[in-house]
Amino acid sequence: DIQMTQSPSSLSASVGDRVTITCRASQTIGTYLNWYQQKPGKAPKLLIYAASNLQSGVPSGFSGSGSGTDFTLTISNLQPEDFATYYCQQSYSTPRTFGQGTKVEIK
Amino acid sequence: QVQLVQSGAEVKKSGASVKVSCKASGYTFTGYYMNWVRQAPGQGLEWMGWINPNSGDPNYAQKFQGRVTMTRDTSISTVYMELSRLRSDDTAVYYCARAIGDTAADALDIWGQGTMVTVSS
Repeated sequence: DIQMTQSPSSLSASVGDRVTITCRASQTIGTYLNWYQQKPGKAPKLLIYAASNLQSGVPSGFSGSGSGTDFTLTISNLQPEDFATYYCQQSYSTPRTFGQGTKVEIK
Repeated sequence: QVQLVQSGAEVKKSGASVKVSCKASGYTFTGYYMNWVRQAPGQGLEWMGWINPNSGDPNYAQKFQGRVTMTRDTSISTVYMELSRLRSDDTAVYYCARAIGDTAADALDIWGQGTMVTVSS
């Protein structure tokens, strides 16, 4: 199975900050990497697919990059509604696997 | 609008089985694989498998092989996930989620609202 490791596990940030979350795969996955946002009590929401493609309806302040084994999710101007937990997921092979999550909290 | 609506919360005894349904609407049901993902309380996301609604063929995570069965009924655009021999660590929210397709890295773009399954001894 491909292991996905996110860092950090949590972070504190302020509104307006630029935030970067990294995700590392245990083997190369090309650009088969997706990012999700989850708020408490809600289903995950797709933000970025195929490493760098913004899902329709997602604000342009979110961006993704990377290929191979190393990926990043960047939130360029943190908004109050962006405080949530973020997960990466590889879709290169089965079983699909997720990172452990990164919780973005208010400083 | 495109949506997935899941069945309601379940409470089961250890050793029993649970069957969760997921009804799709607003799109061609047979055109997209349906995945199942679960989340234990306070924990991360865990992929259980998928079903091809067109052929009915499933693909299960090794961890759940022998305990999980995914089926579909195309006449009512509904997929089902049945988990047997339940244990306390199966207590979780179970989500169905539609996969966009390989051109979009099979990302999960539409999610059901989740079904809480509680397993008690």
